[in-house]
Amino acid sequence: NAGVTQTPKFRILKIGQSMTLQCAQDMNHNYMYWYRQDPGMGLKLIYYSVGAGITDKGEVPNGYNVSRSTTEDFPLRLELAAPSQTSVYFCASSYDRVGSYTFGSGTRLTVV
Amino acid sequence: AQSVTQLGSHVSVSEGALVLLRCNYSSSVPPYLFWYVQYPNQGLQLLLKYTSAATLVKGINGFEAEFKKSETSFHLTKPSAHMSDAAEYFCAVSDLGQNFVFGPGTRLSVLP
Repeated sequence: NAGVTQTPKFRILKIGQSMTLQCAQDMNHNYMYWYRQDPGMGLKLIYYSVGAGITDKGEVPNGYNVSRSTTEDFPLRLELAAPSQTSVYFCASSYDRVGSYTFGSGTRLTVV
Repeated sequence: AQSVTQLGSHVSVSEGALVLLRCNYSSSVPPYLFWYVQYPNQGLQLLLKYTSAATLVKGINGFEAEFKKSETSFHLTKPSAHMSDAAEYFCAVSDLGQNFVFGPGTRLSVLP
């Protein structure tokens, strides 16, 4: 099935550890996004990309990094994990910037 | 800067009753408006979107929303709630540029 695939679905990290959340889409979308979702706070944009080799910061980029070497993949890197990064992370993609996002099923991350 | 307000973080309705989820937005330019639904442990799915055509927009699963510029509103309705409608609903606004903002979400419970 075409769509956005996120791995892993769940992860527990210890404070100070690092990890990469994987995101891949097979719809040939140029635009890709990383959001975090915290209870009662909606979705906050971490980073986004408008095409391979182009990334930019969103609303809450501190503590995260991204890369976009191909159209399909948009991994999110957490360096030195902190309890404040406990959240559910969603990757999304779109054909253009004005909406109709396709979301992945999310990664639930707990930092202890 | 754009913003989205969703009145009521939690709404309960009886099965068969009218569903009304409220969304108000602020935007300095004519907006594109969206409703997304999130079922438990899943990513967000697009319900419907307004892109400056008809002000009454019909979406999937019997939902519809009406764009009212004078009230800066985009409320979501469904004439008769079904148990399967229980989920979290997010309103979002895009200004066609770099800004796509989600509201905080409204959790809908459907009572038998």
